[in-house]
Amino acid sequence: GAVVSQHPSRVICKSGTSVKIECRSLDFQATTMFWYRQFPKQSLMLMATSNEGSKATYEQGVEKDKFLINHASLTLSTLTVTSAHPEDSSFYICSAPDRGSALYEQYFGPGTRLTVT
Amino acid sequence: EDKVVQSPLSLVVHEGDTVTLNCSYEVTNFRSLLWYKQEKKAPTFLFMLTSSGIEKKSGRLSSILDKKELFSILNITATQTGDSAVYLCALMDSNYQLIWGAGTKLIIKP
Repeated sequence: GAVVSQHPSRVICKSGTSVKIECRSLDFQATTMFWYRQFPKQSLMLMATSNEGSKATYEQGVEKDKFLINHASLTLSTLTVTSAHPEDSSFYICSAPDRGSALYEQYFGPGTRLTVT
Repeated sequence: EDKVVQSPLSLVVHEGDTVTLNCSYEVTNFRSLLWYKQEKKAPTFLFMLTSSGIEKKSGRLSSILDKKELFSILNITATQTGDSAVYLCALMDSNYQLIWGAGTKLIIKP
């Protein structure tokens, strides 16, 4: 099946710094990618929809200037957490639907665990 | 407003038992309903359901969708400790966005 990778898998950063998380579709083209955030013992929360070649669409309550999304190619979307705070510590997961498949299945990256100290 | 409600929120059973997890939903533009299993990482795909009444089966897991009553169930027979996880139900809308339920935390005791 299709594969989505994320990098890094874990990152620890200091308050005030920025962190970039990459999401790649390895064997299919993804014009759309989704970014989720998951706090411990909670379900996934959609943060934004990343669209190749255009601006991302953010969900209500998600600060677009804090969570910068760039979808520069059909296989890569990046999420940059700017001026990170400890409350940004979370598990960030990306997913991409493979529209080339009959099932339009969404494939998830393995996630990035961000810890802000 | 689109929503997905899963029940129960948590469930503890013994190995060998059969469990049924429930997912009810309300959605404006339905594309499909999906079940995922999540352990200590990103969710892994179990089933995608698009049509009513057609059971999807994979080993000890099976699932079915009722589009008239707006619910789906996930059955696991002969449970094993490795089935312990959070099971997530999600709706995919016409824009490929997923609307997630809160999940059912399943614990299988040996």
